[in-house]
Amino acid sequence: GQQLNQSPQSMFIQEGEDVSMNCTSSSIFNTWLWYKQEPGEGPVLLIALYKAGELTSNGRLTAQFGITRKDSFLNISASIPSDVGIYFCAGRESNFGNEKLTFGTGTRLTIIP
Amino acid sequence: DVKVTQSSRYLVKRTGEKVFLECVQDMDHENMFWYRQDPGLGLRLIYFSYDVKMKEKGDIPEGYSVSREKKERFSLILESASTNQTSMYLCASRRGGAGETQYFGPGTRLLVL
Repeated sequence: GQQLNQSPQSMFIQEGEDVSMNCTSSSIFNTWLWYKQEPGEGPVLLIALYKAGELTSNGRLTAQFGITRKDSFLNISASIPSDVGIYFCAGRESNFGNEKLTFGTGTRLTIIP
Repeated sequence: DVKVTQSSRYLVKRTGEKVFLECVQDMDHENMFWYRQDPGLGLRLIYFSYDVKMKEKGDIPEGYSVSREKKERFSLILESASTNQTSMYLCASRRGGAGETQYFGPGTRLLVL
């Protein structure tokens, strides 16, 4: 099955810093999603993107659907301790909800006090 | 409050044992999924189901089977557990049709000795 390349694999940052991560695919996706997984829990949807070039925010989080439709980016501004977790991108080739998702390999975010 | 529950948080089994992982959702969702999560590999889809008694192979179905006799319950079966099936297993559900919110359970961490 296809996998998405997500980078970086891990990040160690200080509280208050901004965070950037990205995901790339060898094929075109028409839907990009970003999830967060906190320790001991399942992933939770943060942001959904449906259109090339789209920029969507959710509080301090901003995600972008790349123009080529082969990549997506997630930024977190002014990080706080509760941002700790693993962030996953996920993509789908269609805009239809029933088609299965392909997940990225994850970015583990650690915040140094 | 929506909920996906998994029967065990931690499980230790011996090679060759038959293992059942149970997942129950209380949201009347049509679609249910089983993923495994491994470090550096992200989430990989094992099997999914669009409706009762329906199942479809995901990206890595070998060594697994599933059962969906009731809408709210989706079981993952390891017919003869092997050490390479040691992993975190995540169940998820989503309503049919359009809509992105895929709700995940807390996961079952399986160790096969």
